Amino acid sequence: QKEVEQNSGPLSVPEGAIASLNCTYSDRVSQSFFWYRQYSGKSPELIMSIYSNGDKEDGRFTAQLNKASQYVSLLIRDSQPSDSATYLCAVSGGGTGFQKLVFGTGTRLLVSP
Amino acid sequence: GAVVSQHPSRVICKSGTSVKIECRSLDFQATTMFWYRQFPKQSLMLMATSNEGSKATYEQGVEKDKFLINHASLTLSTLTVTSAHPEDSSFYICRATGGTSEAFFGQGTRLTVV
Repeated sequence: QKEVEQNSGPLSVPEGAIASLNCTYSDRVSQSFFWYRQYSGKSPELIMSIYSNGDKEDGRFTAQLNKASQYVSLLIRDSQPSDSATYLCAVSGGGTGFQKLVFGTGTRLLVSP
Repeated sequence: GAVVSQHPSRVICKSGTSVKIECRSLDFQATTMFWYRQFPKQSLMLMATSNEGSKATYEQGVEKDKFLINHASLTLSTLTVTSAHPEDSSFYICRATGGTSEAFFGQGTRLTVV
C-alpha cells in the first residue's frame, strides 16, 4: 500500500502570511501529485496538480515537487480566513492523469483575521 | 467544470437496513467511478473502482457483498451499503472520470447508522 504522509496540524497562520503545507510519499514510481482543499462536511476540491520537478504557480498557490526527496509542498501566499480548511495531498502512479489516487490524512490550516 | 451529482447528501438509517447512494455525471460520460469512504479526521480511503458495464474492483479489506456497486450506465453509479451497522457510519464520496485527464468528486453522503 502506498503511503502519503502529512502533518495533521493544525497549522495556524495570521491573515496575509504565507502558509506552507508539506507532504511526503513512499512510492518512488508515483507520477502525479495533487493538492485538494476540503471544507468540513464537504467533498475535496482540486487546488493544484503537479507532475514534474520544480515549482508550479497558480494565483496565490505554488506547488513544489522534488521527486528525489519524494516531497511535495503547497505554499499559500497572502493567506485569507477563507483558506481555513483541511488540505489533502494525493498521489498517483503509472503516468499522468487523474487515476487511482492515494490521499494523505490532510493538514488542517487555520488562518486568523 | 463537469458536475457529478451525488445523492442523498445525508441519510440516517436503522441498523440492519440497506442504503443506496447514487452518483450521476451530468455533462459527461463517466467510464470509471471511484468510491471513497472517509471517517472523521481521517483520509479518504478508496473502497472500490468500477468501470461501466464491468464488475467493480474492491480494495483489500472491503467486503464486496456488503458494499454493492452498480455501474450499469455511463451516467450513473450506485453504492449500496447492505445490512448497515453503526461502524459503517461515515462520509462516502464518489469520484468520476470520463477517461480524460480530469476526474470530479460528488458532493459526498454523510451516512449515520443508528
